[in-house]
Amino acid sequence: NAGVTQTPKFRVLKTGQSMTLLCAQDMNHEYMYWYRQDPGMGLRLIHYSVGEGTTAKGEVPDGYNVSRLKKQNFLLGLESAAPSQTSVYFCASRWDRVHEQYFGPGTRLTVT
Amino acid sequence: KQEVTQIPAALSVPEGENLVLNCSFTDSAIYNLQWFRQDPGKGLTSLLLIQSSQREQTSGRLNASLDKSSGRSTLYIAASQPGDSATYLCAVTNAGGTSYGKLTFGQGTILTVHP
Repeated sequence: NAGVTQTPKFRVLKTGQSMTLLCAQDMNHEYMYWYRQDPGMGLRLIHYSVGEGTTAKGEVPDGYNVSRLKKQNFLLGLESAAPSQTSVYFCASRWDRVHEQYFGPGTRLTVT
Repeated sequence: KQEVTQIPAALSVPEGENLVLNCSFTDSAIYNLQWFRQDPGKGLTSLLLIQSSQREQTSGRLNASLDKSSGRSTLYIAASQPGDSATYLCAVTNAGGTSYGKLTFGQGTILTVHP
């Protein structure tokens, strides 16, 4: 039981490049989330999904897209990276609103 | 809009001390509150989850309390150890039809336990 895993762990992009972050969970959770963590700003929700095939915007969705084609996977895409997207990205999942939310180890992204 | 505040922002204590971390939230309409630990450069590890109907939860040397009506939670750490040094985050799951289990986080308390 690996819990929540994220790929890659580190990445450096040039402005304008694109990339996809992959999140996978093996707990059969319905709800999945993408957060970003920045110094002084705390953790902020980017996008979330309440089930396979569904996605919705969080607090800071601009510049990101997501997809949830399979229940266990939640992908976060950056179509044209900007330096403001330099951050640590965390994926999380939970069974429902009553149960714990579990986090992945994070992806450290630098955009130059 | 829910706001979560953690006090103090940083705390340094000698090994063996008992300590209390505080968390307050502005909207009492929550499902639950979760305490996390984050080590430098690492992800978030869940420590305790307290449902809105509960008053406290315990796990080993950790005890978390919740007073939903006053919008407060405390995390009590007994007999602190250097290995407890980390950032502690509290987060609430807001009630309401469109919350979908999203967490609202505090800014965290950076705890240092020195030998």
